[in-house]
Amino acid sequence: DVKVTQSSRYLVKRTGEKVFLECVQDMDHENMFWYRQDPGLGLRLIYFSYDVKMKEKGDIPEGYSVSREKKERFSLILESASTNQTSMYLCASSSSPNRGGGYNEQFFGPGTRLTVL
Amino acid sequence: RKEVEQDPGPFNVPEGATVAFNCTYSNSASQSFFWYRQDCRKEPKLLMSVYSSGNEDGRFTAQLNRASQYISLLIRDSKLSDSATYLCAVNIGTGTGRRALTFGSGTRLQVQP
Repeated sequence: DVKVTQSSRYLVKRTGEKVFLECVQDMDHENMFWYRQDPGLGLRLIYFSYDVKMKEKGDIPEGYSVSREKKERFSLILESASTNQTSMYLCASSSSPNRGGGYNEQFFGPGTRLTVL
Repeated sequence: RKEVEQDPGPFNVPEGATVAFNCTYSNSASQSFFWYRQDCRKEPKLLMSVYSSGNEDGRFTAQLNRASQYISLLIRDSKLSDSATYLCAVNIGTGTGRRALTFGSGTRLQVQP
């Protein structure tokens, strides 16, 4: 079974703090993703990575950065946390495209519920 | 218009009922389709992929209608344990530029005794 783990289930930080969210997957997946999920807005893609040291912006990258130094690990960084970044953060991973060119399903970690005071 | 749209519900149905959800997508180049289930305060978990010819897994049937650009999920003989939010996910699949899935906001199902 694919296992995606996230460093914390719950996190409370203060405005202006630098926040690191870590994600590790154990299935040698090429692709890793960071989403945030808010009531009424659903899952929104922040950043994704399709290889070590490669990253691409998602739909809402402002205020975030990412790092992928090793294939199994993808970190999300909030440079200066703000109250509007209070949210559930979900990491996911997926394997490379299938033979038909379609992309495979994503597997999610348990999520980190971040509160910024 | 959102790329992927779902009726948020809630759908309140009695045990044993049949219930269906639809999910529309805007990009005709979309290639991969999935249904996820998400329980309260938990992560989404894959329920089933959606194949062009339609597919079934026990009480669950998924279908794809490319002409009208929607996917559907049918749940037969609903159980209390089916109560959850069901998310559809779509991937455009245009090379490295878009490997992510785009998710609908989810449809909440509440099965009542």
